[in-house]
Amino acid sequence: QQQVKQSPQSLIVQKGGISIINCAYENTAFDYFPWYQQFPGKGPALLIAIRPDVSEKKEGRFTISFNKSAKQFSLHIMDSQPGDSATYFCAASLRNFNKFYFGSGTKLNVKP
Amino acid sequence: DAGVTQSPTHLIKTRGQQVTLRCSPKSGHDTVSWYQQALGQGPQFIFQYYEEEERQRGNFPDRFSGHQYPNYSSELNVNALLLGDSALYLCASSRDRGQLYNEQFFGPGTRLTVL
Repeated sequence: QQQVKQSPQSLIVQKGGISIINCAYENTAFDYFPWYQQFPGKGPALLIAIRPDVSEKKEGRFTISFNKSAKQFSLHIMDSQPGDSATYFCAASLRNFNKFYFGSGTKLNVKP
Repeated sequence: DAGVTQSPTHLIKTRGQQVTLRCSPKSGHDTVSWYQQALGQGPQFIFQYYEEEERQRGNFPDRFSGHQYPNYSSELNVNALLLGDSALYLCASSRDRGQLYNEQFFGPGTRLTVL
């Protein structure tokens, strides 16, 4: 049973456009939701994270929107750049467990 | 700071063999987690070590075992390799400060191919 479902599998966006990646989760006990960015040959790197007590968190061009009632959260990348081309993973964790459940990933390609 | 380092980078084994992967955590970190990332998939949690003990375990068979040394470095051992064990194995380290969430830093991974 997949705990976190991510879509789309791949995404092509023009430079300057908005990239949107969506995730849904099943376990209502999850209460920490990070997004990771992974470049080829590298391990995932934490991009931004949110707790369910807020509905939105913004860091630079990256924004997480969180809908607790719908059990969904999304990553928005504003003014997307070719350097943003990477695979993005959403994840969820239970309080105090430090054990992360990852989505299946979205491969983003930003066209110049 | 070298960050999280893993060795080897790549490894090729045959079915039935055993393999040991190594991880050195980021300086100041005391907790090591291991993940398996199949091609085109997200990482899946294998287990976590803290104070030389396995603290949590994911849904992986006993063929997967680990160890943490007093210097916090860790090993992942896989016995009786199967073709399905071919994957990128990621190590992540964090510092247990007793907080609710401790940011995990990932290494570059070890690419294991089982023939």
